[in-house]
Amino acid sequence: EVQLVESGGGLVKPGGSLRLSCAASGFTFSNHNMNWVRQAPGKGLEWVSSISTYSTYIYYADSVKGRFTISRDNAKHSLTLQMNSLRVEDTAVYYCARAQWSYAFDIWGQGTMVTVSS
Amino acid sequence: EFVLTQSPGTLSLSPGERATLSCRATQSVNSNYLVWYQQKPGQAPRLLIYGASSRATGIPDRFSGSGSGTDFTLTISRLEAEDFALYYCQQYGGSGWTFGQGTKVEIK
Repeated sequence: EVQLVESGGGLVKPGGSLRLSCAASGFTFSNHNMNWVRQAPGKGLEWVSSISTYSTYIYYADSVKGRFTISRDNAKHSLTLQMNSLRVEDTAVYYCARAQWSYAFDIWGQGTMVTVSS
Repeated sequence: EFVLTQSPGTLSLSPGERATLSCRATQSVNSNYLVWYQQKPGQAPRLLIYGASSRATGIPDRFSGSGSGTDFTLTISRLEAEDFALYYCQQYGGSGWTFGQGTKVEIK
């Protein structure tokens, strides 16, 4: 079964750090660009970051640039989002999502909740 | 700044009716990179349409996408109970993605 499973969410104070992970299974991980998308409580979807198959191309939303770092380990079929200098407005469910050949996000994880609060 | 504006914000319809959702961009969009998703409460989004008009695997043919340039449409020909949900459009701009703010299709 094709699956993405996120982990690492939790409660953190403003200015703190958190590391999210996404474990992929059921497909050839190294063949797909990967992404992080977040959704604040009661709000819409916001693209956060993307990484190409061999990490050649990496992109970030302006809202997280300089604070978040995306990375991947193709040997371990895993995607990571290192989040530093967290702000209250980073509070959201964070989804990892696979990009198909068309760049559309065809497989999504169940999401992991990140709460930034003092 | 690239912005996608979806309208209406909420669509109140009855089962069996036709739903027409709009997604308008502030700049011309490459149709190959215009996507629609469906999201139900407590669930991750599900890919519906990619390339503006191609249905994803397993998506019923009552869902169709159309449009070009700055104006795109998602049509649900006959609403079924499971179609009442949130719908988002998305576009790829070369160095990142942008989502619309969503349209909620609710039962009238």
